Amino acid sequence: SYVLTQPPSVSVAPGKTARITCGGNNIGSKSVHWYQQKPGQAPVLVIYYDSDRPSGIPERFSGSNSGNTATLTISRVEAGDEADYYCQVWDSSSDHPGVVFGGGTKLTVL
Amino acid sequence: EVQLVQSGAEVKKPGESLKISCKGSGYSFTSYWIGWVRQMPGKGLEWMGIIYPGDSDTRYSPSFQGQVTISADKSISTAYLQWSSLKASDTAMYYCARHEGDLRSQNAFDIWGQGTMVTVSS
Repeated sequence: SYVLTQPPSVSVAPGKTARITCGGNNIGSKSVHWYQQKPGQAPVLVIYYDSDRPSGIPERFSGSNSGNTATLTISRVEAGDEADYYCQVWDSSSDHPGVVFGGGTKLTVL
Repeated sequence: EVQLVQSGAEVKKPGESLKISCKGSGYSFTSYWIGWVRQMPGKGLEWMGIIYPGDSDTRYSPSFQGQVTISADKSISTAYLQWSSLKASDTAMYYCARHEGDLRSQNAFDIWGQGTMVTVSS
């Protein structure tokens, strides 16, 4: 089955840029989605189809995807961005196609 | 407003059955897939399965096939997740989420329910 690998944690100072990676075999050939989950809340979609932002999501959030790594970039990080972030793809290559989530990355704002 | 509203928290004993719900509103319920996602305490997101309420086409993750049943009643815009015999290891938060378009579109889950906490303890 397809595996997505995320760093468990990323720390960044306010105002700086945070980059959260999501690794997978030839992930650049798949569509990657990113979700933000704050404590005690449901996940919220922040990036879809690698780099598109849903309405209401700040332009500070951006995404890219190439080769074996997809990246969520958060510019000018704010305290309110502190959350867990998950990447997600559809794996249609196996005998049982379905949704795959990365293990999640906890973003800490210093 | 487009939203998914889930049923309330449940406390059950091992071996009991349970059915939780996810009601859609503000959109055409039969035109979007509804997925279910498990989050065990302190852990990440796990995809369980997905259903298309328009025709009840259902797909399961191999990890959950045979362990749960996903269904939908389009007449009341509600999807369900059920267990016939709960285990302590089923203790988790369960989310429903909406997926637009054909599954081959590999789209995201754009709208999520608020979650239903299921606690299984003797």
